[in-house]
Amino acid sequence: DAKTTQPTSMDCAEGRAANLPCNHSTISGNEYVYWYRQIHSQGPQYIIHGLKNNETNEMASLIITEDRKSSTLILPHATLRDTAVYYCIVRPILAQAGTALIFGKGTTLSVSS
Amino acid sequence: DGGITQSPKYLFRKEGQNVTLSCEQNLNHDAMYWYRQDPGQGLRLIYYSQIVNDFQKGDIAEGYSVSREKKESFPLTVTSAQKNPTAFYLCASSTPSGGPNSPLHFGNGTRLTVT
Repeated sequence: DAKTTQPTSMDCAEGRAANLPCNHSTISGNEYVYWYRQIHSQGPQYIIHGLKNNETNEMASLIITEDRKSSTLILPHATLRDTAVYYCIVRPILAQAGTALIFGKGTTLSVSS
Repeated sequence: DGGITQSPKYLFRKEGQNVTLSCEQNLNHDAMYWYRQDPGQGLRLIYYSQIVNDFQKGDIAEGYSVSREKKESFPLTVTSAQKNPTAFYLCASSTPSGGPNSPLHFGNGTRLTVT
């Protein structure tokens, strides 16, 4: 699986947009980009995934560059409850159960009032 | 509500004892996974199971064992052979294909402390 690079930590003011970058320069054409987040002492929570096009759901938006070598997760109006570690992961489209997600260290997002 | 239940949330054991962590899901998922997380680290795969009565080793299976007798249950035993068992253990499940529309669903973990 392609590896990802994320900043170790980021800060965001409550109510502002949080933009979390991820580099995946070795991503291949058959790999999706997934985002998960983990609030302290809880299991990771799925946020969103995408292949080529930008995606949006009730939690966040995912912007993928045209060359697919990087992406940005956007939390449009961050709240204190969004404070968590955010993981960017790439995974083959036809991944079998054995090629389970490879989690790096992620980005620790701190939202403050 | 459907989900994954891990119990207990905190577990304490003496060194040399085997201990079993419970994981139950009512999502009707075929695939289940066990991950280990150490402080400040990402998740590492211990074991996974694609179907009942079948399971495969992950990256760090040594010192662990699992069983998959029922679709809903995937217990993990941490044996005395595991050199550094103190960690946060996470169970997850997904639909069998593991494809793009089947993200992993995680439980809230069991924090095991061995002294």
